[in-house]
Amino acid sequence: DAGVIQSPRHEVTEMGQEVTLRCKPISGHNSLFWYRQTMMRGLELLIYFNNNVPIDDSGMPEDRFSAKMPNASFSTLKIQPSEPRDSAVYFCASSLWGADYYSNQPQHFGDGTRLSIL
Amino acid sequence: QKEVEQDPGPLSVPEGAIVSLNCTYSNSAFQYFMWYRQYSRKGPELLMYTYSSGNKEDGRFTAQVDKSSKYISLFIRDSQPSDSATYLCAMRVDTGRRALTFGSGTRLQVQP
Repeated sequence: DAGVIQSPRHEVTEMGQEVTLRCKPISGHNSLFWYRQTMMRGLELLIYFNNNVPIDDSGMPEDRFSAKMPNASFSTLKIQPSEPRDSAVYFCASSLWGADYYSNQPQHFGDGTRLSIL
Repeated sequence: QKEVEQDPGPLSVPEGAIVSLNCTYSNSAFQYFMWYRQYSRKGPELLMYTYSSGNKEDGRFTAQVDKSSKYISLFIRDSQPSDSATYLCAMRVDTGRRALTFGSGTRLQVQP
């Protein structure tokens, strides 16, 4: 079975440019999470969706960051304008969100997008 | 103080050793506990997934949760060089916010 698929794997761009990261969750999963990983702060949640609806975006750093999930099989994370401090690895994860332990499934991660803003 | 504390290591052991990795946490509402393994330049890979207290075994891996002490452990028996990676503990509450709170990760090196 295909796991979580992220693209691009690497992105290098100049400060001020728009960056769009993409994610395809595991088929059948109804929740999707965007995380950012840095050496200083570890893995931090940015935003998550349930059934394509944003539930918690309290981790989004500022208005330069936006995320969408137009359908169950696709999500984007956009940074506009990008800044050097946005350089990090961005992970997408998906899971099945159920009512109890037996219907809940843990989060499965993609291999991330390594973003460098010059 | 962080909500989840994890010793960053590195932890270096000889091949065949028993490895013990640990996390402590402060939020008593955490009910789901996970261990992820992350190789360099890869995403976290789920190893163990448990609910509430108790032990769970899967092959060479055993996860323990002690909610009274707010302490979780991952044991790796007969460690192999291929186990060399960063191990992240993660946890979340039962209802409401479904996001994971991660430890900072422990880097493990198994020497052949």
